[in-house]
Amino acid sequence: DTGVSQDPRHKITKRGQNVTFRCDPISEHNRLYWYRQTLGQGPEFLTYFQNEAQLEKSRLLSDRFSAERPKGSFSTLEIQRTEQGDSAMYLCASSGSGTVNTEAFFGQGTRLTVV
Amino acid sequence: DQQVKQNSPSLSVQEGRISILNCDYTNSMFDYFLWYKKYPAEGPTFLISISSIKDKNEDGRFTVFLNKSAKHLSLHIVPSQPGDSAVYFCAASALGAGSYQLTFGKGTKLSVIP
Repeated sequence: DTGVSQDPRHKITKRGQNVTFRCDPISEHNRLYWYRQTLGQGPEFLTYFQNEAQLEKSRLLSDRFSAERPKGSFSTLEIQRTEQGDSAMYLCASSGSGTVNTEAFFGQGTRLTVV
Repeated sequence: DQQVKQNSPSLSVQEGRISILNCDYTNSMFDYFLWYKKYPAEGPTFLISISSIKDKNEDGRFTVFLNKSAKHLSLHIVPSQPGDSAVYFCAASALGAGSYQLTFGKGTKLSVIP
């Protein structure tokens, strides 16, 4: 396993379209996170899964955003009716199940541009 | 309300010297702290972490110091190398409160000059 994998790396879409991103975590990790990063800012937390259960959601996650993690493996993040303000880098991360060494390992991200 | 603050947007250091990156936090529930390095167009790469039960953690050239009373942590890189040039993010979580989300600072861009 080579780490967290995200697909696609880049996505350009027209305003109002729906987009879906995929994340494949490190195989032995049961925790999976989605973050969003805009220029000049640090990553901002969106949501967190432990196995297939979505345990935390940020206020940033409007009703246009939905995330799933069926069977506790890969995850998808869908944005409906995209807006220009959704343009950002979407980062996925995963971490192990212990109570120590819970550092999250990030994928390379999906760069979304809404035109 | 920014709970994790990195007040220096940029830092330049000569190769071979020490780089010190600083981070302050306001949320007393934070009990686990991490540093990440990020190159352009890539995701953040984990560097080093520290639990609030410790005041120092060392890994090779990287040392993180935690001062809980001041709500301050710092990352020391010795000796600095040109390949260390990147944006460094400080992050924190409240594991004791059952929260695994990371709260990040805005980052400090480190430039190591050969």
